[in-house]
Amino acid sequence: AQKITQTQPGMFVQEKEAVTLDCTYDTSDPSYGLFWYKQPSSGEMIFLIYQGSYDQQNATEGRYSLNFQKARKSANLVISASQLGDSAMYFCAMRGTGRRALTFGSGTRLQVQP
Amino acid sequence: DTGVSQDPRHKITKRGQNVTFRCDPISEHNRLYWYRQTLGQGPEFLTYFQNEAQLEKSRLLSDRFSAERPKGSFSTLEIQRTEQGDSAMYLCASSSRTDVRGELFFGEGSRLTVL
Repeated sequence: AQKITQTQPGMFVQEKEAVTLDCTYDTSDPSYGLFWYKQPSSGEMIFLIYQGSYDQQNATEGRYSLNFQKARKSANLVISASQLGDSAMYFCAMRGTGRRALTFGSGTRLQVQP
Repeated sequence: DTGVSQDPRHKITKRGQNVTFRCDPISEHNRLYWYRQTLGQGPEFLTYFQNEAQLEKSRLLSDRFSAERPKGSFSTLEIQRTEQGDSAMYLCASSSRTDVRGELFFGEGSRLTVL
């Protein structure tokens, strides 16, 4: 079984500051992929960043980076230089070996304050 | 290129009625997924299609739920004899077989309210 845990129901950050959203996971699969999605109030899930379990380097996509610590089973999302438009729900998800569906965490609501 | 589209965006129905949602995936994507999302929770997997074949179903997909993808393009999700607990956002996603990461592209969802 796979499980994603996001322990921060809500986070506040000041505009232009960096913020880290926590994600831990549990799986017995030998290889897996980790994803972060953003869900604004419109409801659409927007893909942000991907990390493969065998990737040697932490993934980065523009202002998003993934702090991947395999031994600790954590995959935290770091957003640098927060913008007001970053206010949304953020979901961590994973897919294990041979699986097609993603397993999602319960999400973190981020509010960026001016 | 259009993204994943879902219809209707909102549906209000009375308990006991049947409802059907439609999903049109990205045209070149052969994989299609249905998820359910309740308020304050992450999406929960319901079912997965590769082309027209339904390859995986979650235990969440009770006998009242049925999904089809008859020609491997659009898909429908029908809920029979709706219950108040069915109130949720129903999300459709698609992905490409050739995408190594298997990134899912989501639609904006169909919100169901059962009175």
